[in-house]
Amino acid sequence: DARVTQTPRHKVTEMGQEVTMRCQPILGHNTVFWYRQTMMQGLELLAYFRNRAPLDDSGMPKDRFSAEMPDATLATLKIQPSEPRDSAVYFCASGSPPASVGTDTQYFGPGTRLTVL
Amino acid sequence: RKEVEQDPGPFNVPEGATVAFNCTYSNSASQSFFWYRQDCRKEPKLLMSVYSSGNEDGRFTAQLNRASQYISLLIRDSKLSDSATYLCVVMNTGFQKLVFGTGTRLLVSP
Repeated sequence: DARVTQTPRHKVTEMGQEVTMRCQPILGHNTVFWYRQTMMQGLELLAYFRNRAPLDDSGMPKDRFSAEMPDATLATLKIQPSEPRDSAVYFCASGSPPASVGTDTQYFGPGTRLTVL
Repeated sequence: RKEVEQDPGPFNVPEGATVAFNCTYSNSASQSFFWYRQDCRKEPKLLMSVYSSGNEDGRFTAQLNRASQYISLLIRDSKLSDSATYLCVVMNTGFQKLVFGTGTRLLVSP
């Protein structure tokens, strides 16, 4: 049963510290997404990659956030320096280009629950 | 104004009841539509795609009204296990970029 995996599942850190979140997409999926979920804003797309190339990171605060795909099996999201307002659940999702409109499916990982004190 | 709007609820219904959720979207160029389900402290999972002709999957029926730009989800014969948050999702033209509503919470009680 292929799944998206994310590490760590929980992270508590202090303001100003660097945070790195990792994601392993489903083997064969060439599109990877990073989302952030908070009670107030819901799910927001931060960035996404196709074939390891960044396609859109307009949802991401550029001054402190960075996203990369060093290889096809690993995507990373870094926050440096972290701030209390970054506290949220960060989800990674992966997918493949749809065969036709309406058949798109993204599979989400279990998320990283980040708390910045 | 959010691109996808939903009533946050919660909708409290007894087992066996029929419940309907609606959502509206603002981008008339939206191409694909979905309902996702999210359990408490879990990741979202695709429940069903939504087509203009309407589609049904067991107790779940989804409808799309492009003219009015709204999407609906009907759940018949509610089960306790249906308790979750239901996310309305649209995809605009381009690369699989999903836009999520903030979700409607459903609580089914015995």
